[in-house]
Amino acid sequence: DTAVSQTPKYLVTQMGNDKSIKCEQNLGHDTMYWYKQDSKKFLKIMFSYNNKELIINETVPNRFSPKSPDKAHLNLHINSLELGDSAVYFCASSASVASEAFFGQGTRLTVV
Amino acid sequence: QKEVEQNSGPLSVPEGAIASLNCTYSDRVSQSFFWYRQYSGKSPELIMSIYSNGDKEDGRFTAQLNKASQYVSLLIRDSQPSDSATYLCAVNMSGGFKTIFGAGTRLFVKA
Repeated sequence: DTAVSQTPKYLVTQMGNDKSIKCEQNLGHDTMYWYKQDSKKFLKIMFSYNNKELIINETVPNRFSPKSPDKAHLNLHINSLELGDSAVYFCASSASVASEAFFGQGTRLTVV
Repeated sequence: QKEVEQNSGPLSVPEGAIASLNCTYSDRVSQSFFWYRQYSGKSPELIMSIYSNGDKEDGRFTAQLNKASQYVSLLIRDSQPSDSATYLCAVNMSGGFKTIFGAGTRLFVKA
């Protein structure tokens, strides 16, 4: 049973389109995150949610809009996709804001 | 200064040797430190967490933390080819609200 699952695993889309990535965790964790890993493999935090509330927004363009309907879910919607948005997006969760994070399998987004 | 710095490598060691991976961080009040392993095309996988100064051992892995020097390291004993991966150092910062990753060190273990 997958602890942190995100869908889809691969996403290929054209510039200007809008797309969503879904994430669910069954670990009972309070905190969820979105990270972006670029072509240089650098893993950068985008958003952090604790108990459904946004606590960190790392100066991400407002084309990116996270939404947490409940503690177990954190979705990411991206408007007007750009070439530079191509990356692997990882969802993660942790028991609390300071504890270790567990990652989903990643979504490889390619914008053409 | 980057928030979390690692030598990008690659670090190459022969099978059976000790691999030593190092990390420094900028936030003096950080309290939680993590090492992750990431194979190519896979997600980061937690290896070790360390919260107190000193050494913490788990099997072939030992994490070392020195808060005064703002330094954390990972030793891998009896390195195996299957240990070849990118190792990511992560530090919980900003009063505990976010975990920042280093750029990672690529490790190659030669058979």
